[in-house]
Amino acid sequence: SYELTQPPSVSVSPGQTASITCSGDKLGHRFLYWYQQKPGQSPVLVIYQDYKRPSGIPERFSGSKSGNTATLTISGTQAMDEADYYCQAWDTSTFVFGTGTKVTVL
Amino acid sequence: EVQLLESGGGLVQPGGSLRLSCAASGFTLSNYAMYWVRQAPGKGLEWVSAISFSGGSTYYADSVKGRFTVSRDNSKNTLYLQMNTLRTEDTAVYYCAKGEGTAAAGGYFQNWGQGSQVSVS
Repeated sequence: SYELTQPPSVSVSPGQTASITCSGDKLGHRFLYWYQQKPGQSPVLVIYQDYKRPSGIPERFSGSKSGNTATLTISGTQAMDEADYYCQAWDTSTFVFGTGTKVTVL
Repeated sequence: EVQLLESGGGLVQPGGSLRLSCAASGFTLSNYAMYWVRQAPGKGLEWVSAISFSGGSTYYADSVKGRFTVSRDNSKNTLYLQMNTLRTEDTAVYYCAKGEGTAAAGGYFQNWGQGSQVSVS
């Protein structure tokens, strides 16, 4: 079965840049999506189709992809960005989520 | 504003059944694919099921195939998930999510409900 791998945790200082990676086989051939989930809340879409940002999502969130690795970048990270982040892709009639990354703003 | 409100969760014994509902408002349900995603306690997100705008196409995760059935009543603006032969490992918060288009395949989860707790014990 298809798998998407993320680092379990990322730590970042306020104002600095956080980078969260998501790797998977043939990721270059698929669209990749990113969701943010704050404690006790429902997930929120922050990036769709690799790099597009839904309305209402701050510009500090950006997505990119190179080969089999996608990256969610949070520039000028704020305390409110502390959350779990999940990548997601579609593979052969199945939606696959990444393992999730906990972003801690120190 | 898109709103999705799940209901029908609760405590059930292994082998039992539950039906979740997701009431949609703020958009025309019949124009969008819909999804169910769950999250076990302390775990990550797991996709459960998908249904196209008309209900003509459905998809299921292997973990629920043959036990869960997704359906929709566009006239009532409601999405359903019938869950049979429940197992302890089905314990999770179940979210309904709105797609971005009519096709369920290859879509993504544009808006999410607040979730409904299902406990199997």
